[in-house]
Amino acid sequence: DAMVIQNPRYQVTQFGKPVTLSCSQTLNHNVMYWYQQKSSQAPKLLFHYYDKDFNNEADTPDNFQSRRPNTSFCFLDIRSPGLGDAAMYLCATSVGFTDTQYFGPGTRLTVL
Amino acid sequence: QQQVKQSPQSLIVQKGGISIINCAYENTAFDYFPWYQQFPGKGPALLIAIRPDVSEKKEGRFTISFNKSAKQFSLHIMDSQPGDSATYFCAARNNAGNMLTFGGGTRLMVKP
Repeated sequence: DAMVIQNPRYQVTQFGKPVTLSCSQTLNHNVMYWYQQKSSQAPKLLFHYYDKDFNNEADTPDNFQSRRPNTSFCFLDIRSPGLGDAAMYLCATSVGFTDTQYFGPGTRLTVL
Repeated sequence: QQQVKQSPQSLIVQKGGISIINCAYENTAFDYFPWYQQFPGKGPALLIAIRPDVSEKKEGRFTISFNKSAKQFSLHIMDSQPGDSATYFCAARNNAGNMLTFGGGTRLMVKP
């Protein structure tokens, strides 16, 4: 089945230790998104790629970076995680800007 | 202008009852209104969506009612089941792109 896959599902890191979350998709969608979702809150868009074009939301901290080496993969890098970065990180994809967004299962990040 | 307000924050319904969740928006440029269902530890999944050229859309037990003049839309779950217990997010997308603006979410519990 075509899908959005996120690895790992659970990630524990130490305060200030860089961490990378990965997302892959078999849908061949050209747009990929990263969201942060804290407990009992709505998903908050961090950035998205339209093909290779990177678009950062204005209020996304510089601590968060992303890479998209090819159509299928997208990475979220957190350079120096703080306690406030503990959250569920969701990857989503869509066909251009006219289609539904399809979400992956998320990666739960814990910062110790 | 980008805000979507969702109510209630939580809802308890008896099995077989009707669950109603409401959303209101301000931005008249919104042209697509999806509802997402999210189970604990999972990513949001598209449940049903509507465009402003229709006032109602029904898929099985799920119905969206849309009131363009009032800038409000709602999700009705008929014959609610315990398996419907989840968090529901309304969202809106403007006609300039595919950035979703999410409501705050409603945690639904359906009691057996």
